[in-house]
Amino acid sequence: DGGITQSPKYLFRKEGQNVTLSCEQNLNHDAMYWYRQDPGQGLRLIYYSQIVNDFQKGDIAEGYSVSREKKESFPLTVTSAQKNPTAFYLCASWWGTEAFFGQGTRLTVV
Amino acid sequence: AQSVTQPDIHITVSEGASLELRCNYSYGATPYLFWYVQSPGQGLQLLLKYFSGDTLVQGIKGFEAEFKRSQSSFNLRKPSVHWSDAAEYFCAGGDDYKLSFGAGTTVTVRA
Repeated sequence: DGGITQSPKYLFRKEGQNVTLSCEQNLNHDAMYWYRQDPGQGLRLIYYSQIVNDFQKGDIAEGYSVSREKKESFPLTVTSAQKNPTAFYLCASWWGTEAFFGQGTRLTVV
Repeated sequence: AQSVTQPDIHITVSEGASLELRCNYSYGATPYLFWYVQSPGQGLQLLLKYFSGDTLVQGIKGFEAEFKRSQSSFNLRKPSVHWSDAAEYFCAGGDDYKLSFGAGTTVTVRA
């Protein structure tokens, strides 16, 4: 079945460590997105990519980095510069007029 | 800036009663508009979407939404809620490739 796969579902890291969240899609979509979800703040856009080897900052890009070397993959790295990295992260792709979401990764930094 | 606003943070409704969730958008042109539902610890499920045409949109699970250009609104409604409708609901707006979300409305259903 086509879809978006995020892994792992739960991730724990020590403060000060970089961590990379995986997002893979087999939908052949050009556009992919990363959102961060915090209670009471909805989903905020971190980065998005409309085509391979190109990406743009969203509303809260500070402390994050991405790459888009392949159409099907859009990994997100949460760096030590991100002040409050503990959150729920959702990856999405966009095709035509619809967004498709992964099941999310809950990152906890201790 | 282009944005979507959900004025209500939390709504409590009795089972069997009607439900209306508000959504306002701020876009230069008519955006694509969506309603999503999220159960605790889960991903997002699309309830319905609007692009153009008929301003009353039917979705899954008995939900509908009405697009009102004059009010810049896209409110979600359900005539009779079930306990399983307790969840968080997000309105979203998009143009071209960027999709923005409201802060969400948490719905509690009481027996």
